[in-house]
Amino acid sequence: DAGVTQSPTHLIKTRGQQVTLRCSPISGHKSVSWYQQVLGQGPQFIFQYYEKEERGRGNFPDRFSARQFPNYSSELNVNALLLGDSALYLCASTLGGYREDTGELFFGEGSRLTVL
Amino acid sequence: AQSVTQLGSHVSVSEGALVLLRCNYSSSVPPYLFWYVQYPNQGLQLLLKYTTGATLVKGINGFEAEFKKSETSFHLTKPSAHMSDAAEYFCAVSLNSGYALNFGKGTSLLVTP
Repeated sequence: DAGVTQSPTHLIKTRGQQVTLRCSPISGHKSVSWYQQVLGQGPQFIFQYYEKEERGRGNFPDRFSARQFPNYSSELNVNALLLGDSALYLCASTLGGYREDTGELFFGEGSRLTVL
Repeated sequence: AQSVTQLGSHVSVSEGALVLLRCNYSSSVPPYLFWYVQYPNQGLQLLLKYTTGATLVKGINGFEAEFKKSETSFHLTKPSAHMSDAAEYFCAVSLNSGYALNFGKGTSLLVTP
């Protein structure tokens, strides 16, 4: 079975540009989360979506937005890029339901964004 | 608010020696605790988790961790290190029942021959 897939794997942008990152969850998983991992740090929670609704939001500016589609895939958008947005962006999926979910996040390999 | 602190950003052990990676948590409610491993240029893989029940948790690749409420700790151990264990290890606590995680800064494990 396919795991969590993310695209693109690498991309380079300049300051002020906008970027869209994409994620496809494991088949049957209804919840998708996004994390930012700056070099040398642990991942930081950005968003969580379940059944197309935002379930949680981390401490990130409004330049960051996301959405989840009917097929449970998700996009993360970042506007007005700053140098500090350079990071590995990780997507994770879970079953999502409070009763059946074990709490384990299944991570993709990430999209590495470099802002020049 | 829930948070974790990983003691030691770098740990070096000899092949065959005990691995001990330290994690202390802060939580206002009974925590869900996790250890993840990250190999270079890859995503994170779950090693083990504690939710409720038995406080000694066994995971993949011979790792285990013990939840000690009195010490607010969840240290990761492995009796005998292999070269393939060299990676970045992250301790994490669940932020809320929605399973958003708060990760520590990570510990880089180096295994020497």
